[in-house]
Amino acid sequence: EAGVAQSPRYKIIEKRQSVAFWCNPISGHATLYWYQQILGQGPKLLIQFQNNGVVDDSQLPKDRFSAERLKGVDSTLKIQPAKLEDSAVYLCASSSNFLTSGRPAKQFFGPGTRLTVL
Amino acid sequence: SQQGEEDPQALSIQEGENATMNCSYKTSINNLQWYRQNSGRGLVHLILIRSNEREKHSGRLRVTLDTSKKSSSLLITASRAADTASYFCARNTGNQFYFGTGTSLTVIP
Repeated sequence: EAGVAQSPRYKIIEKRQSVAFWCNPISGHATLYWYQQILGQGPKLLIQFQNNGVVDDSQLPKDRFSAERLKGVDSTLKIQPAKLEDSAVYLCASSSNFLTSGRPAKQFFGPGTRLTVL
Repeated sequence: SQQGEEDPQALSIQEGENATMNCSYKTSINNLQWYRQNSGRGLVHLILIRSNEREKHSGRLRVTLDTSKKSSSLLITASRAADTASYFCARNTGNQFYFGTGTSLTVIP
C-alpha cells in the first residue's frame, strides 16, 4: 500500500514570497489533515478535510494560508505571503472516515515538507 | 490551551532499560493515540486507546489511560537503540486532534 506522498520535500523562499505544498493521501482515505510542526514542538493542526469539505480550520491563519481539496483526493496548502515565523515542517496526514465507520481512525503521515523562510 | 503536556521533555536511558513517558490533557477525549517520530521523518502511529479503556498492549509497548486524572502513560520495555525518537500523544476530541509537545527519548547502546 502506497503511503502519503508530499512534495516538495524542501523549500527555501524569501519572506513575502508565496509557496505551495502538495499532498496525495492514501487511496480511499476520506479524511486529510495538514499540520505545521515548528522545530522542537508537536504538530499543530491547520486544517482538516472530510472528502472535499472543510471539517476544521480554526487554527489556520486565513489571512495568509489557504488550502483546498477540490476533488476529494489530493490537496494543496498555500502560504501567501510567507513570514519568517512560517519556517517549519508541514505535514500531511490521512485517515479513513471514522465519522461513518464509527471507529476512531489512526492517521498516516507523509514525510513532510521542510520550509525555510529567509 | 487544548494542547496538554508531556513529560519528561527528554529522557536518556541505557539499552535494555524501560522508558516511561506521560501525557496530560485538559478536556475530555474520544481516544488518545501515541506516535513516534524519528529524526527528519514523519510520524508513525504506535497505539490507540479509547476513552473507555484503561490499558492496552502492543509488543513492547504498554499504554495506560486514566480519564479521571486526564493522563496517559506510554511504557516501552526492554528498550533498543532503534527506539531513539520523539514520542507524541495525540488527543482526539470530536473531529479534532491535538498533539502534545513530545518526549525526546535517547537509548544509549
